[in-house]
Amino acid sequence: IAGITQAPTSQILAAGRRMTLRCTQDMRHNAMYWYRQDLGLGLRLIHYSNTAGTTGKGEVPDGYSVSRANTDDFPLTLASAVPSQTSVYFCASSAVAGNTQYFGPGTRLTVL
Amino acid sequence: RKEVEQDPGPFNVPEGATVAFNCTYSNSASQSFFWYRQDCRKEPKLLMSVYSSGNEDGRFTAQLNRASQYISLLIRDSKLSDSATYLCVVTFNNAGNMLTFGGGTRLMVKP
Repeated sequence: IAGITQAPTSQILAAGRRMTLRCTQDMRHNAMYWYRQDLGLGLRLIHYSNTAGTTGKGEVPDGYSVSRANTDDFPLTLASAVPSQTSVYFCASSAVAGNTQYFGPGTRLTVL
Repeated sequence: RKEVEQDPGPFNVPEGATVAFNCTYSNSASQSFFWYRQDCRKEPKLLMSVYSSGNEDGRFTAQLNRASQYISLLIRDSKLSDSATYLCVVTFNNAGNMLTFGGGTRLMVKP
């Protein structure tokens, strides 16, 4: 692995289903982030983690949860997906909070 | 009002042209400034940080005006490969140093 990876690349999901988007980085970055990107709204922060074992809410956290059990992984879970969660989801990491962020390739999620 | 605002464009320019984008931010408690580039259906990538004294990287020049609360990006001698969306990014002291993204300015360079 080099950098930051996300899985799956894309997913079509029925409303009401549970879904976990995976994010892994091998740069030993302390901080990790989840964003959603929607046309006309730009990138919006969902949740973040400044260091392993801690998480925080971003601008649009409702309907999403995260965990940070270790430095490398930062999964994002949709407990019960709704169509408004159809979006492109980007995971990012930075050495420390506020530094340059490096983004994963994104996950395209469609909730029907 | 959005915290970071950009003209969405698109800016359509011929190859070789010089083009400039501005970005305004509303929170004076700002700390760091960046320009990111995002290609269609790809992830954002850092183009350059913006320093108080202004900085240049090849054909790209970034400037910061704290008094007027805007940053700019100048691209000289535009290439077809410069076609992308350019995202203005600001961190605010009173927001835990989280990055706040503008909506992006789309640039299309034509032959």
